[in-house]
Amino acid sequence: EAGVAQSPRYKIIEKRQSVAFWCNPISGHATLYWYQQILGQGPKLLIQFQNNGVVDDSQLPKDRFSAERLKGVDSTLKIQPAKLEDSAVYLCASSLESVNEQFFGPGTRLTVL
Amino acid sequence: GNSVTQMEGPVTLSEEAFLTINCTYTATGYPSLFWYVQYPGEGLQLLLKATKADDKGSNKGFEATYRKETTSFHLEKGSVQVSDSAVYFCALTLTGTASKLTFGTGTRLQVTL
Repeated sequence: EAGVAQSPRYKIIEKRQSVAFWCNPISGHATLYWYQQILGQGPKLLIQFQNNGVVDDSQLPKDRFSAERLKGVDSTLKIQPAKLEDSAVYLCASSLESVNEQFFGPGTRLTVL
Repeated sequence: GNSVTQMEGPVTLSEEAFLTINCTYTATGYPSLFWYVQYPGEGLQLLLKATKADDKGSNKGFEATYRKETTSFHLEKGSVQVSDSAVYFCALTLTGTASKLTFGTGTRLQVTL
């Protein structure tokens, strides 16, 4: 069974530029999560989708971050404009609808200069 | 709210030494508890889990017991190997639902020959 796929694996941009990350969850997983992991810290949830609806986006900085999951499968996370403090690893995870075990992708390491 | 506190690292051990990484939690409701491991350059992998009090999760020689009375979920291994060098994260989520993981800050383990 294929795992959670993410791309790109690495991205370097300058502040005030925009960037987008892509995630493809495990087939059949209705729930998709985006986490932000700053160096030296544990991951923190940015947004949770159930199919194509948002369940929790309370920690998403909505003035610059946006995310969508249009067909309930793939998801895109965008940052516009990026700030220095957005440098982090962005992790995507998925799970079955009624189960709390999450499977993580390899992450996208973002560096903002 | 929910929170997880882990012992700070790095933890440096010689091969075949005994490992303990402490984890305590605060939760509203009845959580499930997890240990995730992150090897260099890779995403998070589930190491073990426990979903109710007194459950013991185990995998690859690692063990952790869900202690409700002390709100703890300490990770142990009797004899570590160099290949166990990684960052270990304790985490919790609500039991029985697909909801976000709350992570500790992670503990880096370095095992030397």
